[in-house]
Amino acid sequence: DSGVTQTPKHLITATGQRVTLRCSPRSGDLSVYWYQQSLDQGLQFLIQYYNGEERAKGNILERFSAQQFPDLHSELNLSSLELGDSALYFCASSVSPVAYTGELFFGEGSRLTVL
Amino acid sequence: AQKVTQAQTEISVVEKEDVTLDCVYETRDTTYYLFWYKQPPSGELVFLIRRNSFDEQNEISGRYSWNFQKSTSSFNFTITASQVVDSAVYFCALSEARASGGSYIPTFGRGTSLIVHP
Repeated sequence: DSGVTQTPKHLITATGQRVTLRCSPRSGDLSVYWYQQSLDQGLQFLIQYYNGEERAKGNILERFSAQQFPDLHSELNLSSLELGDSALYFCASSVSPVAYTGELFFGEGSRLTVL
Repeated sequence: AQKVTQAQTEISVVEKEDVTLDCVYETRDTTYYLFWYKQPPSGELVFLIRRNSFDEQNEISGRYSWNFQKSTSSFNFTITASQVVDSAVYFCALSEARASGGSYIPTFGRGTSLIVHP
């Protein structure tokens, strides 16, 4: 158990809808990362937050947004969903704002299916 | 451009065989970090090892060993005497400062699925 909690574990929705994925980082970790894992794209970095502030941005679509709250949990909002958004969304956390200093602790992921 | 290449999509072995998972990376940074993560069937990625670009010493941890060679831009992972519990997807990752704007966000390879048969 990594200590990173993601909810929901599974989510099925329809095209055009909006969903919110939630992540609670490991106790004491200030940095949260969101990754998308799909069969065709592999594991893609979306966005990083550190202590409430956006730190780094990757291949995140404009339809997607995220935030980190004062209690350090983070939410990833996906809107106007398309079939291609179906994927496993991972949250990871670390103590440091700089990812190389140590390992990332990953949650079990939220599997999103868009029908 | 792909930064981390794991050419082996899937490897199937029988228990007790040794297996090597290949990882080739591409970077222009002189300072970078390489990682291996394991993704068991339960889904979450589990950290295995981190190596910086200035440390080319090979590392051994139990049945696991890693061979880092800057000359060939490779960071290969060997499991000795494989076990069924080693069945998982293994990811190699690269952290660079320049590509990530200084934040060293890891870029992952596509992963290698290892299946160990009893």
